[in-house]
Amino acid sequence: QKEVEQNSGPLSVPEGAIASLNCTYSDRGSQSFFWYRQYSGKSPELIMSIYSNGDKEDGRFTAQLNKASQYVSLLIRDSQPSDSATYLCAVMVAAGNKLTFGGGTRVLVKP
Amino acid sequence: DVKVTQSSRYLVKRTGEKVFLECVQDMDHENMFWYRQDPGLGLRLIYFSYDVKMKEKGDIPEGYSVSREKKERFSLILESASTNQTSMYLCASLPPRGWGEQYFGPGTRLTVT
Repeated sequence: QKEVEQNSGPLSVPEGAIASLNCTYSDRGSQSFFWYRQYSGKSPELIMSIYSNGDKEDGRFTAQLNKASQYVSLLIRDSQPSDSATYLCAVMVAAGNKLTFGGGTRVLVKP
Repeated sequence: DVKVTQSSRYLVKRTGEKVFLECVQDMDHENMFWYRQDPGLGLRLIYFSYDVKMKEKGDIPEGYSVSREKKERFSLILESASTNQTSMYLCASLPPRGWGEQYFGPGTRLTVT
């Protein structure tokens, strides 16, 4: 079992709809959770971080964390074609500053 | 803005060559990381460094070594390149007291023929 798992997609959503991405992790000691966006041929850029249970909103993005169920999710509201990218979930385990990444979910927003 | 630069965007090397990939960050970050990214496998950590002259193995260190002689520079070395090291290589740095907000360089697409 991979340490951080994501559905590879593609997740196809119409423009203006909500895209919902999920990520599960195996290490219960994980402390910090991140969502990165990666456009094709580009490097990942951080879009959200979340550290405690519940929701965190930033513009059109909402991250949700449930440590008891060991999942973290990302909602993208009012999806735009420019949101088409691969979204990487990353987890920091208790020791050190290493990040463990999931395989990424490819999102396609269709006009 | 944090800037992480990598020495090359594209690199083509022959099997058995020694390959150097360089990464430089301009924000005085202690922590630096080298990843490789392959389709279906995501980002995998090769090596990381918490300070000058310090290094730690990541998840896939075999066939690689690193050097950190100056705080701003972290080099990845392929001692004898092989075709299975064809990949996208990404360098990242982490600010002091950062809890994972890693900043990535643009990446180096390495092809070993």
